[in-house]
Amino acid sequence: GENVEQHPSTLSVQEGDSAVIKCTYSDSASNYFPWYKQELGKRPQLIIDIRSNVGEKKDQRIAVTLNKTAKHFSLHITETQPEDSAVYFCAASKRSSASKIIFGSGTRLSIRP
Amino acid sequence: DGGITQSPKYLFRKEGQNVTLSCEQNLNHDAMYWYRQDPGQGLRLIYYSQIVNDFQKGDIAEGYSVSREKKESFPLTVTSAQKNPTAFYLCASIDGGKISGNTIYFGEGSWLTVV
Repeated sequence: GENVEQHPSTLSVQEGDSAVIKCTYSDSASNYFPWYKQELGKRPQLIIDIRSNVGEKKDQRIAVTLNKTAKHFSLHITETQPEDSAVYFCAASKRSSASKIIFGSGTRLSIRP
Repeated sequence: DGGITQSPKYLFRKEGQNVTLSCEQNLNHDAMYWYRQDPGQGLRLIYYSQIVNDFQKGDIAEGYSVSREKKESFPLTVTSAQKNPTAFYLCASIDGGKISGNTIYFGEGSWLTVV
């Protein structure tokens, strides 16, 4: 069935360094890939998304890349700051209908001062 | 102010009790979802509904029930058959019909604890 795998499950980086989280998806018809940030006890918040007609999207310190051929996409956070510490989820879905959105298992990112 | 409202934020359930979590949205979205999140874990799909009067089981539907009598409302009942219901429950809706497509809007969540 449809599946999204996310790696790593935990990631610790020095403040100011970059962090990269990777996801792979199984359904080749997927065409929408959002990333969510969730702080403890709160709802996930959309931080960036990408659609299958582009290969990269950037928003300040955050970027997402998509490789449709390999069916994987990645989140890149540069110049990390303490407030970047959270759990990050990737997801994949098909935009053609309000179909199921499949989430990755999450990555707990810790920024070391 | 548009959005998704979940209630209650905190709920305690006694053994053998059924409890219902409310989810209301005024975004005019067709699709609504319920997810369960255990501490330190990801989001698992319980039920989803793509249109009024229709819903489908997700990956962990056992012990839960839903209804979709109105477009705005998608309540989740945690039945006594759910043996380990303590978790954080998130309701979501999706604007799949718009050009921007499939942006997920989450409610603030409901914490359910068995006492």
